[in-house]
Amino acid sequence: GQQLNQSPQSMFIQEGEDVSMNCTSSSIFNTWLWYKQDPGEGPVLLIALYKAGELTSNGRLTAQFGITRKDSFLNISASIPSDVGIYFCAGLNYGGSQGNLIFGKGTKLSVKP
Amino acid sequence: EAGVAQSPRYKIIEKRQSVAFWCNPISGHATLYWYQQILGQGPKLLIQFQNNGVVDDSQLPKDRFSAERLKGVDSTLKIQPAKLEDSAVYLCASSTRGALGYTFGSGTRLTVV
Repeated sequence: GQQLNQSPQSMFIQEGEDVSMNCTSSSIFNTWLWYKQDPGEGPVLLIALYKAGELTSNGRLTAQFGITRKDSFLNISASIPSDVGIYFCAGLNYGGSQGNLIFGKGTKLSVKP
Repeated sequence: EAGVAQSPRYKIIEKRQSVAFWCNPISGHATLYWYQQILGQGPKLLIQFQNNGVVDDSQLPKDRFSAERLKGVDSTLKIQPAKLEDSAVYLCASSTRGALGYTFGSGTRLTVV
């Protein structure tokens, strides 16, 4: 089945630093999404990308949909303590299983004040 | 609007016992999903409903897992009998327009001992 490779697995950074994480796939996706999950909660959508090459921002977050449709990255600028959590990429293809998200394994972000 | 409600929040059972989880989606959301999230991994789709019909259950271990959404609103997921490897967080999500309108519940953390 389809798999997403997400890296890095974990990051320990100082408050104020920028963060970058990425996701690659062996197959093409029509849509890439980035989620954040806090302990004891479900994932919350941060950014959705619909077109190859698209660059989208949401506050301090910026994400890009790779040209090949097989990768995406997420940047967080000027990190703050509340950025702590697990970030997941997810790929989506339309079709018979519309809405079936394929998730990466997550990047655990720790921010030191 | 109220979010996706799930209960119970936590459940501990012995292997070979049965367990059931309940989900009440956001009002008006036609599509409902059950995901399994094993510790350290991203969520994996178990089953997708459109109203009260099953759209995708290809990854549901049907020898022990079952799910229903009889009136097209709330849903139950059952495991019978449970195995140790079923220990995970079970997330329910609902959407009104495919993956883009996804909202996840807080999940039920199942521990099988």
